[in-house]
Amino acid sequence: GAVVSQHPSRVICKSGTSVKIECRSLDFQATTMFWYRQFPKQSLMLMATSNEGSKATYEQGVEKDKFLINHASLTLSTLTVTSAHPEDSSFYICSAQTGNTEAFFGQGTRLTVV
Amino acid sequence: DAKTTQPPSMDCAEGRAANLPCNHSTISGNEYVYWYRQIHSQGPQYIIHGLKNNETNEMASLIITEDRKSSTLILPHATLRDTAVYYCIVRGFANAGKSTFGDGTTLTVKP
Repeated sequence: GAVVSQHPSRVICKSGTSVKIECRSLDFQATTMFWYRQFPKQSLMLMATSNEGSKATYEQGVEKDKFLINHASLTLSTLTVTSAHPEDSSFYICSAQTGNTEAFFGQGTRLTVV
Repeated sequence: DAKTTQPPSMDCAEGRAANLPCNHSTISGNEYVYWYRQIHSQGPQYIIHGLKNNETNEMASLIITEDRKSSTLILPHATLRDTAVYYCIVRGFANAGKSTFGDGTTLTVKP
């Protein structure tokens, strides 16, 4: 299957700082990318959907001003957690699809806010 | 997306077939059954999907009942590396990346 790469795989940041997570589709162009969050021992929860060149659509309860999503090209979407706090510590996962084909997931980013 | 029900956990002996059930009684006619798995601290991995016919690929087989209200994922010869959380998801073919993940089944393959 196609490859989706996330960077970094792990990040530790201080409370109040911002962290950017990148999601890249390495061998295909992704018209749509999705961002998920997973807390320990829980399932994945969809945070937002981003389409290249347009604003992201956020799921209910997800603060768009806190989780900034940019999908500036067909191979890159970024998620910026602004003013991070310990409760934002989680496993963030992206997926990418092109057209209506199968979507592929990144390996995830473990964010720890101290 | 239709709701799915899976057992929370299952054990399987190494080398034996692992049969993971999923109930999706409210599935609609244009919805597919997808299976993913998530190995600890990794992103989900696509396994297989089907509409109404049984499907097989290099990883697994998918058996869908005739009324489409349930399905079974079969790993024919489970290995220790198959230990993971397995998610059964029912959704339309469009917007493939937008999936509603339930709690899944934690499969533990034992030596």
